[in-house]
Amino acid sequence: DAMVIQNPRYQVTQFGKPVTLSCSQTLNHNVMYWYQQKSSQAPKLLFHYYDKDFNNEADTPDNFQSRRPNTSFCFLDIRSPGLGDAAMYLCATSSRGWETQETQYFGPGTRLLVL
Amino acid sequence: GDSVTQMEGPVTLSEEAFLTINCTYTATGYPSLFWYVQYPGEGLQLLLKATKADDKGSNKGFEATYRKETTSFHLEKGSVQVSDSAVYFCALSNTGKLIFGQGTTLQVKP
Repeated sequence: DAMVIQNPRYQVTQFGKPVTLSCSQTLNHNVMYWYQQKSSQAPKLLFHYYDKDFNNEADTPDNFQSRRPNTSFCFLDIRSPGLGDAAMYLCATSSRGWETQETQYFGPGTRLLVL
Repeated sequence: GDSVTQMEGPVTLSEEAFLTINCTYTATGYPSLFWYVQYPGEGLQLLLKATKADDKGSNKGFEATYRKETTSFHLEKGSVQVSDSAVYFCALSNTGKLIFGQGTTLQVKP
């Protein structure tokens, strides 16, 4: 089945130690998104890629970066994780353009714990 | 700006009870509307959607109708099961960005 895959499902890192989360998709969608979701809250969009074009949300901290080496893969890099970055990180994809209100399909998420 | 408001939870029901989770929105233009469900420790799954006024989305016994006159997209199910226990998010998409409500936790007891 076509799907959005996130690895690992659980990630433990130390305060200040860089960490990378990965997302892959077999849907061949143009747009890939990264969301942060803290406990009992709605997901918060960090950034998205429309093909190779990177779009950062205005309030996303500089500590968060992303790479999309090809259509299928997208990575979230947290350069110096703080305790406040512990959260569920969700990857999502949608087809066609950013403006077309297309449905977003989510992966299972990676839960990040910062010690 | 665009926004989505959901009824506060948790909503606790007995198995086979009728479910309504209210959702209203504020948006310019003609947004698409979605319900996503999140089971514990999992990502969001699309439950149903509607793209224009009077459309009814349905899936797995859940239904919601896009009401432009009342700017609402209430989620309903005639008979809930224990396995429906989850967090439900109402969302809209107007410019590509998903705007979520705060989520409503549903607990179904046997």
